[in-house]
Amino acid sequence: NAGVMQNPRHLVRRRGQEARLRCSPMKGHSHVYWYRQLPEEGLKFMVYLQKENIIDESGMPKERFSAEFPKEGPSILRIQQVVRGDSAAYFCASSRDSQNSPLHFGNGTRLTVT
Amino acid sequence: GEDVEQSLFLSVREGDSSVINCTYTDSSSTYLYWYKQEPGAGLQLLTYIFSNMDMKQDQRLTVLLNKKDKHLSLRIADTQTGDSAIYFCAGFIYGGSQGNLIFGKGTKLSVKP
Repeated sequence: NAGVMQNPRHLVRRRGQEARLRCSPMKGHSHVYWYRQLPEEGLKFMVYLQKENIIDESGMPKERFSAEFPKEGPSILRIQQVVRGDSAAYFCASSRDSQNSPLHFGNGTRLTVT
Repeated sequence: GEDVEQSLFLSVREGDSSVINCTYTDSSSTYLYWYKQEPGAGLQLLTYIFSNMDMKQDQRLTVLLNKKDKHLSLRIADTQTGDSAIYFCAGFIYGGSQGNLIFGKGTKLSVKP
């Protein structure tokens, strides 16, 4: 009974490159959320998706960041032209439905931009 | 101010009880949550309480909710060194975006042998 699976665990990118982070939700979960955690901080919401739909992207930076959750396959968080300030831990969570079931988090992808 | 506030540090001796406190400005959450994060790891859902409950007990964990004072606490009985971690409380806020679970900055619990 696998939990939320994220890969890679660690990702190093040079400034200007693209970062692609993947997330497979728990079995039976159709809601996916992406959060970002800066050092010594709590988690900040980025985006909430259901299959093939972005429900809420109010926490996403307007430029360079995008997310998708296709009909088949994992959810992808994509960061184009990364900058040093993008270095953080990115966590994916999933839930069975929206506010009536708890979010279960993956172990995160730690992005380092050099 | 912050929507969810927690004290940043707590230090206890092994075997003592730990109480981690959290206050929030408002909540439309059906549930309020406690998550545990060990170094370099993701967030583990520890427990949660339904918003119309005052208390929930789960083995060594007791959650108390005071809706009038907007105060949530997590008590860990017989604290062990393995309980050393950062503990986050979280909930949705009234008028917040759907899916936008608001987290406190976390309380770092240190357990001394």
